[in-house]
This record gives sequence, structure tokens and C-alpha cells, in this order.
Amino acid sequence: NAGVTQTPKFQVLKTGQSMTLQCAQDMNHNSMYWYRQDPGMGLRLIYYSASEGTTDKGEVPNGYNVSRLNKREFSLRLESAAPSQTSVYFCASSEGTGGDGNTIYFGEGSWLTVV
Amino acid sequence: AQRVTQPEKLLSVFKGAPVELKCNYSYSGSPELFWYVQYSRQRLQLLLRHISRESIKGFTADLNKGETSFHLKKPFAQEEDSAMYYCALSGYSGNTPLVFGKGTRLSVIA
Repeated sequence: NAGVTQTPKFQVLKTGQSMTLQCAQDMNHNSMYWYRQDPGMGLRLIYYSASEGTTDKGEVPNGYNVSRLNKREFSLRLESAAPSQTSVYFCASSEGTGGDGNTIYFGEGSWLTVV
Repeated sequence: AQRVTQPEKLLSVFKGAPVELKCNYSYSGSPELFWYVQYSRQRLQLLLRHISRESIKGFTADLNKGETSFHLKKPFAQEEDSAMYYCALSGYSGNTPLVFGKGTRLSVIA
């Protein structure tokens, strides 16, 4: 089982360029998430999808869009990249959200640098 | 609103010494608390959660609702415990995704 797979692993963008981070999970999970990790800021939720067909904003959604393409895939798009979006991005999935304490499984991370 | 506070950015201890990573939370409902760990060059993974009441790799954590704390403890630190530790909170009822603290980097010195 691959678990949660995200691509690309590394990317350098110029300010104003756009890109999409892809994420797929093979655990038949209902919920998927995008977090960003910054030094001293911990993990902050960008967007999440509690179930196929739904998406909701997290703590830091500005400058991002998401698409829950199907149950397996959840993509994150930067329409016009800014240096403040330089970060490590993690995709994650869980069987559900909250409730009975479902475990979140993380991808390996995508290192994005905006110059 | 859900909030998780980890007051220490960095904690250094000597091998064999006790470890306590602090976590305090703010949540009006009934919480679910977790500890996640990120070892060097590995993905974030669940270490333990309070509902399981288990000990993983010698670590334990007790939910103290009176003090709104969920501190992670280990009686004798090992070098392989060096990692980034995140405390996380989810509401027990309703669809609320995990909220993470800012993390504490544990460094175990030989």
C-alpha cells in the first residue's frame, strides 16, 4: 500500500506562476486535507474535504484553491504564487473527521520555493 | 475555537533522562487529543491518542481535562526519540479536522 502519495516532491516557482500539487490516497478514506508546515508555525490547515464532493476552508486558505476530483484524489492549486507561499505542503487523509478519533495519514511532503 | 499550545519550541535532554513535552488545549466541547511525531526524513505519523490509553515506544500521555493538558512523557529518553513532536486536537462530535500545535523539537543528547 502506498498510502498517501503527493507530487511533485520539489518545485521552484517564479512569483506569479501557477501550479497544482497532486495528492492521491489508496486507503478508501473519506476525508482529505492539505496542510502547510512552516518553521515556528507548525502545521496549518489550508483546505480540507470531509467527503467526496465537499471542500471547506481551513486556517490559511487565501491564495489557494482545491479540487476533490474523486474519492482518491485531492489537488491543491496556487493560481499566482507568492514568496509567502514558500513552504512544505502535506497532503493527508483519514477515514473521517473528528468523531471517533480517526487517525490522519500523511504524505511525504512537497517542498515548494517561490522566488 | 480549537487551539493547541506547545510552549517549548526546542527541548534538549540527556539520554536516560525523563522527558515531558507539554501540550495545552482550548476547546469548549469534548476533545480528542493526539500526539504525532516526525522523525528525520520520515513522514508525520501518529504516536498515540488519548482514547487508546496505550504506551507507544515508551511514551504515555494522560488527558487532564481540569488543566486542559495532554503532556507527553517518557521516563528514560533514547537517542532515537529525537524528532519533531506535534500535539493535535479534534472535536469529538461533528466534522472538525485536526488542529495542530506549533510543535516541539526534542533533541536527546548522548
